[in-house]
Amino acid sequence: ETGVTQTPRHLVMGMTNKKSLKCEQHLGHNAMYWYKQSAKKPLELMFVYNFKEQTENNSVPSRFSPECPNSSHLFLHLHTLQPEDSALYLCASSQLVAGGPRVIALAKNIQYFGAGTRLSVL
Amino acid sequence: TQLLEQSPQFLSIQEGENLTVYCNSSSVFSSLQWYRQEPGEGPVLLVTVVTGGEVKKLKRLTFQFGDARKDSSLHITAAQPGDTGLYLCAGVAAGNKLTFGGGTRVLVKP
Repeated sequence: ETGVTQTPRHLVMGMTNKKSLKCEQHLGHNAMYWYKQSAKKPLELMFVYNFKEQTENNSVPSRFSPECPNSSHLFLHLHTLQPEDSALYLCASSQLVAGGPRVIALAKNIQYFGAGTRLSVL
Repeated sequence: TQLLEQSPQFLSIQEGENLTVYCNSSSVFSSLQWYRQEPGEGPVLLVTVVTGGEVKKLKRLTFQFGDARKDSSLHITAAQPGDTGLYLCAGVAAGNKLTFGGGTRVLVKP
């Protein structure tokens, strides 16, 4: 148990469906992340939220829409996906340390991952 | 773009053998993390190395951070089936940006 819970664990959807992935962290962290993990590709960072504000969007197609209503919950809304979007979607949280260069240098940005949602797009 | 290359991509060994996984980059990182991911689960942190030349031991696992903080290695002694999994290295750069390597899939056969 990592303190990060993702639901559902498995999802099969058609290309015209709309669905949402949910992530909840019980660690009191201030940052949350969505990653995509495909076979034969490195873990791809999709979105970063820091104190509920989106701080990073790594050129993710608009058919993926994140939502972070508070620092403990993160959603990924999906619509009109493509078969190549089939993958394991991982949520993570971390405690980012704000401050001067020395404090930032000491911050290790350790990621605590959920078990993921295995998504299949038909 | 900072890239982390892991080698080998796949390793299959017998129980009791030793193995080494490498993580290399042309970029300097402030710290480097190693994660293990088991089937059906998310990655779990094994260790963080911060200082160039640092060596950390975790039971049968030995982690080393290169002197120039551009590369790292993970050595497992007398591997056991429970060591099977995907090993990921991740480098922390300026602004807390984390870059993951492509992973090494390790299979330890009984």
